[in-house]
Amino acid sequence: AQKITQTQPGMFVQEKEAVTLDCTYDTSDQSYGLFWYKQPSSGEMIFLIYQGSYDEQNATEGRYSLNFQKARKSANLVISASQLGDSAMYFCAMRDFSGGSNYKLTFGKGTLLTVNP
Amino acid sequence: GAGVSQTPSNKVTEKGKYVELRCDPISGHTALYWYRQSLGQGPEFLIYFQGTGAADDSGLPNDRFFAVRPEGSVSTLKIQRTERGDSAMYLCASGTSSLNSPLHFGNGTRLTVT
Repeated sequence: AQKITQTQPGMFVQEKEAVTLDCTYDTSDQSYGLFWYKQPSSGEMIFLIYQGSYDEQNATEGRYSLNFQKARKSANLVISASQLGDSAMYFCAMRDFSGGSNYKLTFGKGTLLTVNP
Repeated sequence: GAGVSQTPSNKVTEKGKYVELRCDPISGHTALYWYRQSLGQGPEFLIYFQGTGAADDSGLPNDRFFAVRPEGSVSTLKIQRTERGDSAMYLCASGTSSLNSPLHFGNGTRLTVT
């Protein structure tokens, strides 16, 4: 069974600083994908970044990067140069590629990020 | 292009009533998912459609919940004999058949059972 753990219920960061949001996962499969989503107070789930288990390089998308450590089963999200608009819930999710019902994403409980001016 | 559309955005119903929640996915997306999100929690999987058929309904909590996608596009989540514990945000998402592609979510339907 898949499991995603986000140990930080809440995080605070000063505007313009970098912040790391933690995510660890548990799977027995070798082939899987990791996704990060942002959910502002408006409620919409916004896709941020993707990392495949066989990708050799850490994923980057603008100010977002993924610190992927496969042996430790961690996929931490790094947001650089934080902006006030980054204040939101952030969810880590995983999709196993090798199972029968392998299309669904399993989500963690999320981290509430607050960016202070 | 148009994103995933969910209607209504809010639904208030009395305990014991029947409700239908609608999802209109992104055109061309063959995969459609329903999730339920309680306050302060991550989305929890309910059901997944590939085309018209439910490929995985293992997340439906009980037989009061049912979903259909008769023409492989619009989907309806149906809840019979609603209970106060059904109150939550119901999210719909669509995607392609590519495993490394993300799900695209709608804005959700907030269901409140009084």
